Amino acid sequence: GNSVTQMEGPVTLSEEAFLTINCTYTATGYPSLFWYVQYPGEGLQLLLKATKADDKGSNKGFEATYRKETTSFHLEKGSVQVSDSAVYFCALSDLQSNSGYALNFGKGTSLLVTP
Amino acid sequence: EAGVAQSPRYKIIEKRQSVAFWCNPISGHATLYWYQQILGQGPKLLIQFQNNGVVDDSQLPKDRFSAERLKGVDSTLKIQPAKLEDSAVYLCASSLSPSGGAAGTQYFGPGTRLTVL
Repeated sequence: GNSVTQMEGPVTLSEEAFLTINCTYTATGYPSLFWYVQYPGEGLQLLLKATKADDKGSNKGFEATYRKETTSFHLEKGSVQVSDSAVYFCALSDLQSNSGYALNFGKGTSLLVTP
Repeated sequence: EAGVAQSPRYKIIEKRQSVAFWCNPISGHATLYWYQQILGQGPKLLIQFQNNGVVDDSQLPKDRFSAERLKGVDSTLKIQPAKLEDSAVYLCASSLSPSGGAAGTQYFGPGTRLTVL
């Protein structure tokens, strides 16, 4: 079946540090890949997405590249800010699964950025 | 544009009681999802609607959970009777359509945090 594996958190970084959150996936078909972010006290928000191999999604300084050969979709940001502190979820959707385009999420990675 | 609305935001009940959650999707969104998010885990799909029809409810514990979307707009998720392990955040999401393109982007509501004592 489909699954998503994320690196364990929490991740603690100083402001302006480089961020990488690893995400790998298993899918039977050709999934679309997503990163969602959940700020404290708020709902899930789509951060970025990629729908096919070698696509790069980007938003708010974050980016992730769909790597079919390594089944990965790692999230990166060159210089994090305190306001980036949140929980980040990697997810996939796969039309060939029974759930159609429902999202299959990883467990989430908590990021804390300190001044 | 108004986002996905959910109520209540918080609910505390005793085990074996019943509870209902309400969701109003973004206007015009045909596809509606209910997810369960247990503390420390990612959200897990419970049920997916397309208009007022069920697309997938394979992970819905049907002995105690039920959901409906009678007019193809808002939706209600019910648990009866509740168990301790149902303590979680229940998230509603909607999209224009069930597709892989921009129309399939899912927008989430703030969730209902359920505590079962």
